[in-house]
Amino acid sequence: DSGVTQTPKHLITATGQRVTLRCSPRSGDLSVYWYQQSLDQGLQFLIQYYNGEERAKGNILERFSAQQFPDLHSELNLSSLELGDSALYFCASSPRQGGNSYEQYFGPGTRLTVT
Amino acid sequence: ILNVEQSPQSLHVQEGDSTNFTCSFPSSNFYALHWYRWETAKSPEALFVMTLNGDEKKKGRISATLNTKEGYSYLYIKGSQPEDSATYLCALQNNNAGNMLTFGGGTRLMVKP
Repeated sequence: DSGVTQTPKHLITATGQRVTLRCSPRSGDLSVYWYQQSLDQGLQFLIQYYNGEERAKGNILERFSAQQFPDLHSELNLSSLELGDSALYFCASSPRQGGNSYEQYFGPGTRLTVT
Repeated sequence: ILNVEQSPQSLHVQEGDSTNFTCSFPSSNFYALHWYRWETAKSPEALFVMTLNGDEKKKGRISATLNTKEGYSYLYIKGSQPEDSATYLCALQNNNAGNMLTFGGGTRLMVKP
């Protein structure tokens, strides 16, 4: 158990809908990262937050957004869902911004199925 | 876009065999190389973070080496056990890419008893 929690574990929804995925980092970790694992692709970095502020952005679609709250939990919002958004979404946390090569600790993931 | 390649894609070995696989990455602007172990239905688990050329790290029967000049890292497993069956991922942390990790496609290891 990494100490990172994600809810829900599974989510099934229809195209065009909007969902929110939630992540609580390990106690004391200030950085949260979101990754997407699709069937045909490896783990793809989406976005990083550090202490409430966006720090790095990867291949995140405009339909997707995220935020980190004062209690350091983070939410990833996915809207106008398409079939291709079906994937495993991981959240990871680390103590700092990552520039000091700290390990990232991964949560159990949320499996999203868009039908 | 950084290209992180892992080979082989999959590997079947017998219990007791030693094995190794490769992670290749662009050597320019290197910052760190991470190795993760990912078991089915679980989350990726950090094995090593390596930063210096020539680094060697060891955890039990698993070890890793790093060559930042030529852009590769090897992961070795000595005396494979069925519980070593997992996907092994490497990820590059690069000076120009901020804090993000760029993952390779992984090597899926299956150890037969």
